[in-house]
This record gives sequence, C-alpha cells and structure tokens, in this order.
Amino acid sequence: QKEVEQNSGPLSVPEGAIASLNCTYSDRVSQSFFWYRQYSGKSPELIMSIYSNGDKEDGRFTAQLNKASQYVSLLIRDSQPSDSATYLCAVLSTSNYQLIWGAGTKLIIKP
Amino acid sequence: NAGVTQTPKFQVLKTGQSMTLQCAQDMNHNSMYWYRQDPGMGLRLIYYSASEGTTDKGEVPNGYNVSRLNKREFSLRLESAAPSQTSVYFCASSELAANTEAFFGQGTRLTVV
Repeated sequence: QKEVEQNSGPLSVPEGAIASLNCTYSDRVSQSFFWYRQYSGKSPELIMSIYSNGDKEDGRFTAQLNKASQYVSLLIRDSQPSDSATYLCAVLSTSNYQLIWGAGTKLIIKP
Repeated sequence: NAGVTQTPKFQVLKTGQSMTLQCAQDMNHNSMYWYRQDPGMGLRLIYYSASEGTTDKGEVPNGYNVSRLNKREFSLRLESAAPSQTSVYFCASSELAANTEAFFGQGTRLTVV
C-alpha cells in the first residue's frame, strides 16, 4: 500500500462547478497535510496547508481533513480553466519529518 | 527575486557519465531538498539538508551524493549515471523544517542513454 494515495485522473469538471480532489494516507499519527498545484512542465507550488480536523478555507479553495478516516480533500469552487493542473497531496512523515507525496490528480476544467 | 535556481534545465548523459546538478536559493532558508519526479510516482526525496552542515538520505539515495556547500547552495551529484536515473529533478528549500512551505526550482530534465 502506497503511503499517500490519489486518483491519478484525469478529473474533468465544467467551468464554474466544484472540483473535488481526494487523498488518503497510511500514517495514522500524521499531523501536517499540504496541497500543491503543478502546471504542466512547471514546478509545484503550495496552495493550502491543514493541520486540524475540519475545513480550512482560502478564497475559492477549501481543504478538508478527517484524521479518523485518514483522508484529506481539496475543493475548488467556481472552477476556472486556469485551475487545470495536477494537484499533489503531501503528508509530513512522523518517521523522518519529511514530506511524502502522492502521485497527483490531473484536473481539467472544461470551458 | 530569483527564489530557487537550478542548473542546468536539460541534460543528456551517456550511461556511466557523471554530472552535478546545482541549486541555489536566495531566501535565507535553512532546509534544502532534492527530489526526483517520475510519471505516476509523484515526488520522491533523494537527499535533504535540514540545516547548513548536515545532509541526510531520503527515500531513494542510491546512486547520488550531495553537498551543502553553504547556506545558499545544495548540489546533487550523479557519479555514474544509469538509465534508471532518467527523471525530472527538483531542488526545493524551506525556511525551517519540512512542515513549512517548500519553494521549488524550475526543475532539471535529465535523460540517460
């Protein structure tokens, strides 16, 4: 079992709709979770971090964390074509305190 | 405002050749990292340097060596390149530990033939 799992996609969402991206992780005691966005041919950039159960909102982005179920999700409201990218989930390992990365979900927003 | 600068951007090596990937950051960050990214596998940590003067192995260190030359610079060396090392390599830095925001360089696309 991979330590951080994401559906590779592509996930196709109409412009203006809500895009929902999911991530599950295996380390039960992980405390820090991150969503990065990576445009094709570019480097990753941080969108959201979340550390507590529940929702965290930043503009059109909402991160959701459920530690009991070991999943973290990212919602993108009012999706725009510029949101088309690969979204990487990263979890801070409690063994060496380094990030463990999912393979990413490719998101396509259709105009 | 350069951030994290990697060189080169592209490189083709023959099997057995050696090369060094250079990375420099101008954000006064303490921690620096080298990752490789392969299709369908996400980012995998090769080596990291939590602070100047220290380096540690990550998930996939075999075939690589690193040097934290000073606080700004962190280089990655392939002593004898193998086709399995064909990948995109990213250098990153963060202010403190790995649970602070990581800033990435533009990447190096390496092909070993």
